Amino acid sequence: KNQVEQSPQSLIILEGKNCTLQCNYTVSPFSNLRWYKQDTGRGPVSLTIMTFSENTKSNGRYTATLDADTKQSSLHITASQLSDSASYICVVSAAQAGTALIFGKGTTLSVSS
Amino acid sequence: DAGVIQSPRHEVTEMGQEVTLRCKPISGHNSLFWYRQTMMRGLELLIYFNNNVPIDDSGMPEDRFSAKMPNASFSTLKIQPSEPRDSAVYFCASSIRLASDTQYFGPGTRLTVL
Repeated sequence: KNQVEQSPQSLIILEGKNCTLQCNYTVSPFSNLRWYKQDTGRGPVSLTIMTFSENTKSNGRYTATLDADTKQSSLHITASQLSDSASYICVVSAAQAGTALIFGKGTTLSVSS
Repeated sequence: DAGVIQSPRHEVTEMGQEVTLRCKPISGHNSLFWYRQTMMRGLELLIYFNNNVPIDDSGMPEDRFSAKMPNASFSTLKIQPSEPRDSAVYFCASSIRLASDTQYFGPGTRLTVL
C-alpha cells in the first residue's frame, strides 16, 4: 500500500536553531517527492521537488534530501525564524498514468523567540 | 499574476443544500487540481484535470461530489446534497503540466455544513 509517514508530528524549537523533519514512504513506482510549507489559514506553498536521481535540493534556508534506496527524505531548516512556524507536508508522486499523489499528514513546526 | 483564485473564501450552509465552489487557475497552466483538507485526514486529492479533461476522479468521495472544467480559466466543485462530514477546507491548485511541475495553491474555501 502506498503510504507517506512524517515525523515528528509536531516540533517546537527556539528561533535561530536548526531542525530536521523526516518523511518515509512506501510509494512504488516512485516518480518524485515534494515538500510543501503551509501557513495557518493559507494554501500550501511548494518548497522543493526532487526526482529519483536527485539527492539534495535547496531553497534558501530549506534543504531537502532524498535517499531513494531507503525511501527516506528529510527537510532541514537552518537558522530558523519565527516565520518558519507552519505545517510541512511531504508528498510523493507515483509513476503511473496521470499523477497519483500520496500525502503525509504533515509536521507542525513552532518557532519561538 | 494574481495566482489561483477561489471563491467563496468561506461558505456556511445547511445539510442538504447544494454547494458550488469556484476556481480560476493561473493563466497558461494546463493542469488543475481539487483538494480537501481536514484535521483528521490531512490533505486529499479529489480530482484533477489536464487541458480541461478530467484525468482521475478516484479521490472524489461519492456521487454527491462533481467537478467540471468548462474552459481553461474556470472550474467548479459541486456538492449536492451537502452533509456535515463535508465540512473542510477545499483547495484548488494549478500547474503548467501534469507530472512533475510545481503546483500553485489557491487560498482555499472553508466550508461548514451545519
